[in-house]
Amino acid sequence: ELKVEQNPLFLSMQEGKNYTIYCNYSTTSDRLYWYRQDPGKSLESLFVLLSNGAVKQEGRLMASLDTKARLSTLHITAAVHDLSATYFCAGGLNYGGSQGNLIFGKGTKLSVKP
Amino acid sequence: DGGITQSPKYLFRKEGQNVTLSCEQNLNHDAMYWYRQDPGQGLRLIYYSQIVNDFQKGDIAEGYSVSREKKESFPLTVTSAQKNPTAFYLCASSDREYQPQHFGDGTRLSIL
Repeated sequence: ELKVEQNPLFLSMQEGKNYTIYCNYSTTSDRLYWYRQDPGKSLESLFVLLSNGAVKQEGRLMASLDTKARLSTLHITAAVHDLSATYFCAGGLNYGGSQGNLIFGKGTKLSVKP
Repeated sequence: DGGITQSPKYLFRKEGQNVTLSCEQNLNHDAMYWYRQDPGQGLRLIYYSQIVNDFQKGDIAEGYSVSREKKESFPLTVTSAQKNPTAFYLCASSDREYQPQHFGDGTRLSIL
């Protein structure tokens, strides 16, 4: 059974600082996703990581995947207020023959303060 | 623009009542999903469908039912058997394997 754990669950940052969110998963998963959710809103896809060593960057966010360590990270560089949101990682799972189902972590609520 | 439309945005359920949440997509995706999100929690899978006229239970299917009569539509019924239905419900769809799921804007269900 695939389990996904994120830490920290809450993160308060100052603008301009760097920080990393960690996502550990319990069993082999061949894909890892990062999503962003603003309060009361839907989820927006940020990154898809499909192979060991994969690194993707978009603006101030960079995601990486280490399948041997079963670890993905989301690194935030020089945080700005607009990055305040909840960030979820999700691992892919073959669920009853399906290859599209995801197991989500509990999310990391990020608050960037001036 | 292609996307996923969920309705209504807010829904109230009376004791003993069944309610149906609508999910429509015009992305031509084969797979559709229903998730439940409780405050401060991640998403939990209720039901999923990989193809028309077929669907499978997720982790928390008890008290819910679905149908998939058309590719574009995947309605979720919250039955009276679901004793704690208050939550944010999200519908998603996906296309090819390994592609990210696209989400609707959600329906917030509360008990009257």
